[in-house]
Amino acid sequence: DAKTTQPPSMDCAEGRAANLPCNHSTISGNEYVYWYRQIHSQGPQYIIHGLKNNETNEMASLIITEDRKSSTLILPHATLRDTAVYYCIVRVVSNYQLIWGAGTKLIIKP
Amino acid sequence: DAGVIQSPRHEVTEMGQEVTLRCKPISGHDYLFWYRQTMMRGLELLIYFNNNVPIDDSGMPEDRFSAKMPNASFSTLKIQPSEPRDSAVYFCASSDRGQNSPLHFGNGTRLTVT
Repeated sequence: DAKTTQPPSMDCAEGRAANLPCNHSTISGNEYVYWYRQIHSQGPQYIIHGLKNNETNEMASLIITEDRKSSTLILPHATLRDTAVYYCIVRVVSNYQLIWGAGTKLIIKP
Repeated sequence: DAGVIQSPRHEVTEMGQEVTLRCKPISGHDYLFWYRQTMMRGLELLIYFNNNVPIDDSGMPEDRFSAKMPNASFSTLKIQPSEPRDSAVYFCASSDRGQNSPLHFGNGTRLTVT
């Protein structure tokens, strides 16, 4: 499975959009990009996933570049409760082995 | 939807003792996963089940670890005998049928072996 690269930490002001980048330059055609987050002392929480088209749900938007080598997770109006570690994962549809990296620690500041 | 339920939330035991962690997946989910999280190694998949049958246990670290799923609503992860290096947070997750379905995680069991 392809690996991902994320910045170790980011800050964002409350109320602003948080843009979290992820590099997955070796992604294969059958691998999806998934985003999860983990708030302290809780289990990982699914956010969104996509293959090649941009996706949006009630939590976030996912922008995938045309060459699929990178993506950006966008939290449109960050709140203090969005402070968490965000994981970008690429996943082969037929394989449940998710390769979890170190993620990005996002800190939302008032 | 109550989500994935794990118990206990915290477990402290002495080296050599048997430890049993429990998980109730989301009703209707066909897949169940056990993960372990440590600072050093991050999140690791230990084993997963499909329709109560173990599919891949290649992540189980040693024979001291065993997992069962006697029915669709219950699974256990047992460590016997436990060792200090087993100290970690153990997560259970489930997903419904469909290989593209996201995983839903419980809040984990924090295990400390002294």
